[in-house]
Amino acid sequence: NAGVTQTPKFRILKIGQSMTLQCTQDMNHNYMYWYRQDPGMGLKLIYYSVGAGITDKGEVPNGYNVSRSTTEDFPLRLELAAPSQTSVYFCASSYLGQDQPQHFGDGTRLSIL
Amino acid sequence: GENVEQHPSTLSVQEGDSAVIKCTYSDSASNYFPWYKQELGKRPQLIIDIRSNVGEKKDQRIAVTLNKTAKHFSLHITETQPEDSAVYFCAAIYNDYKLSFGAGTTVTVRA
Repeated sequence: NAGVTQTPKFRILKIGQSMTLQCTQDMNHNYMYWYRQDPGMGLKLIYYSVGAGITDKGEVPNGYNVSRSTTEDFPLRLELAAPSQTSVYFCASSYLGQDQPQHFGDGTRLSIL
Repeated sequence: GENVEQHPSTLSVQEGDSAVIKCTYSDSASNYFPWYKQELGKRPQLIIDIRSNVGEKKDQRIAVTLNKTAKHFSLHITETQPEDSAVYFCAAIYNDYKLSFGAGTTVTVRA
């Protein structure tokens, strides 16, 4: 049971490039989330999904896209990378229903230069 | 969405002393309040959580209290040890399953 797995761990992009951050979980969780964490700050919700085929925007969705074709996978797509997207990105998942703990992946450290 | 404020932003304590972190939230419908610990370069990890039908919860040296009327909750760490040094985040749930996080408290335990 690996939990939540994110790839890659580190990446450097040039301005204007695109990439996909991968996230997969093996806990059969319905809910999945993408957060970004800027230095010295808390986590901000980018997008979330309550199940396969269903996604919705969080607090800071601009510049990102997601898809949820399976229960296990929830990739985050960056189109036209900008320096403001330099951050650490965390994927998380939780069981169906409210007041369930969220389990986080190890994060992807992304730099846009 | 939910607005969560966390204080203090930094906290330095002598080993063996207690540490207290306080958070306030805005959405009176919030009913789940987890606390996460994040070591440098690592993932946030849940250390304790509390639901709105409980006023206090304790797990060994860690305790959390909740005052729903005042909309604030606190983390208490007793007998602090060097391994307690980390960033601690409070959070509150909104819209049933989304979490809003505080900005974090950097705790340093001095030997």
